[in-house]
Amino acid sequence: DAGVTQSPTHLIKTRGQQVTLRCSPKSGHDTVSWYQQALGQGPQFIFQYYEEEERQRGNFPDRFSGHQFPNYSSELNVNALLLGDSALYLCASSLAPADTQYFGPGTRLTVL
Amino acid sequence: GQNIDQPTEMTATEGAIVQINCTYQTSGFNGLFWYQQHAGEAPTFLSYNVLDGLEEKGRFSSFLSRSKGYSYLLLKELQMKDSASYLCAVIMGRDTGRRALTFGSGTRLQVQP
Repeated sequence: DAGVTQSPTHLIKTRGQQVTLRCSPKSGHDTVSWYQQALGQGPQFIFQYYEEEERQRGNFPDRFSGHQFPNYSSELNVNALLLGDSALYLCASSLAPADTQYFGPGTRLTVL
Repeated sequence: GQNIDQPTEMTATEGAIVQINCTYQTSGFNGLFWYQQHAGEAPTFLSYNVLDGLEEKGRFSSFLSRSKGYSYLLLKELQMKDSASYLCAVIMGRDTGRRALTFGSGTRLQVQP
């Protein structure tokens, strides 16, 4: 049973660039949530996708956008990268109506 | 917004018992999760408490008091591999399956020989 997968594992970008991160949910799951985790902090909720629509959004600017595909996989896009966007980006999946979320290994983004 | 408090760091001895506390604001509360996260890895699900009381799962137990806004994670017979960060997360609102997790900053547990 495949768990949550994310790509790439690591990424280095420079300020002002754009980045796309990818996530495939756990087999059978239909809901994908994205989180940003700064070093030494707990994950912070970015947004959640279900039925290809953004259902909930945390306190993140419009530079952060996403998409969910018919196969439930998802992308996170970040435009105009700032140094402060350097973090571990975690994708979590769940199966509605359950709330338990299972996390992928994350993408470590470094912005120089 | 939600304010979740948990100790930053704890140290314990192999074979011992450790209790990691978590407090949160009760308004809108609907459930509490505990996750374990080893350095550089993904958080892994440990427990989910909705009702008051203690839930035991092997060496790990989790307790919830909804009225007090308090939870703890109890780890028994500590092993070196238990050295990790332990994240407390709450879920709020009534729309099941559509609720985001709000995390505390995590408690870094170091198990010593």
